Amino acid sequence: DIQMTQSPSTLSASVGDRVTITCRATQNINTWLAWYQQKPGKAPKLLIYKASNLESGVPSRFSGTGSGTEFTLTISSLQPDDFATYHCQQYESSSLTFGQGTKVEIK
Amino acid sequence: QVQLVQSGGGVKKPGSSVTVSCKASGGTFNTYIFSWVRQAPGQGLEWMGGIIPIFGTIKTAQKFQGRVTITADESTSSAHLELSSLRSEDTAVYYCARVRTGCSSTSCSFDYWGQGTLVTVSS
Repeated sequence: DIQMTQSPSTLSASVGDRVTITCRATQNINTWLAWYQQKPGKAPKLLIYKASNLESGVPSRFSGTGSGTEFTLTISSLQPDDFATYHCQQYESSSLTFGQGTKVEIK
Repeated sequence: QVQLVQSGGGVKKPGSSVTVSCKASGGTFNTYIFSWVRQAPGQGLEWMGGIIPIFGTIKTAQKFQGRVTITADESTSSAHLELSSLRSEDTAVYYCARVRTGCSSTSCSFDYWGQGTLVTVSS
């Protein structure tokens, strides 16, 4: 299976900060990568698909870049609603895998 | 608006089986592709398998092969996950998820998710 590693595991930030989360794959996944936001007790919500495509209805402060094995999710100006856990997911392989998650906390 | 409503789960004894169901509404069931994803307490997300109901195509993660049965029933617009030989490590919230519109296989991102169903394995 393709392993996905996110960094950092936890990130402390303030409202208005620019936040970047990294996701690395153990092999080339082209741009077959998605990002999700998850709040406690809730299902994940799709933010970005195919590495850089913003899902409908997702605020434009979220953006994704990368290809191959290294990817980033950026929140340009952190809002109170953005404190959550973020997951990356690869779908290059028929055996889908997720990163371990990055928790964005209030500083 | 697409909705996935889950049912089933609960507290189960080790060695037993559990079924979780996922009823879809708000769209055309035959155009959907479903996956099942679980999340153990405090852990990340783990893909278990998926199904393309219109073709009957099923993909299962190697880890769960032999223990997972994934089915779909067009008459009830539902997908089902059965997990057998339960052990304590199977304690988790189980989610159904729909493959994003435009994808034609189980290998895709997920645009709609069920609310999650807790399965607790305990003697």
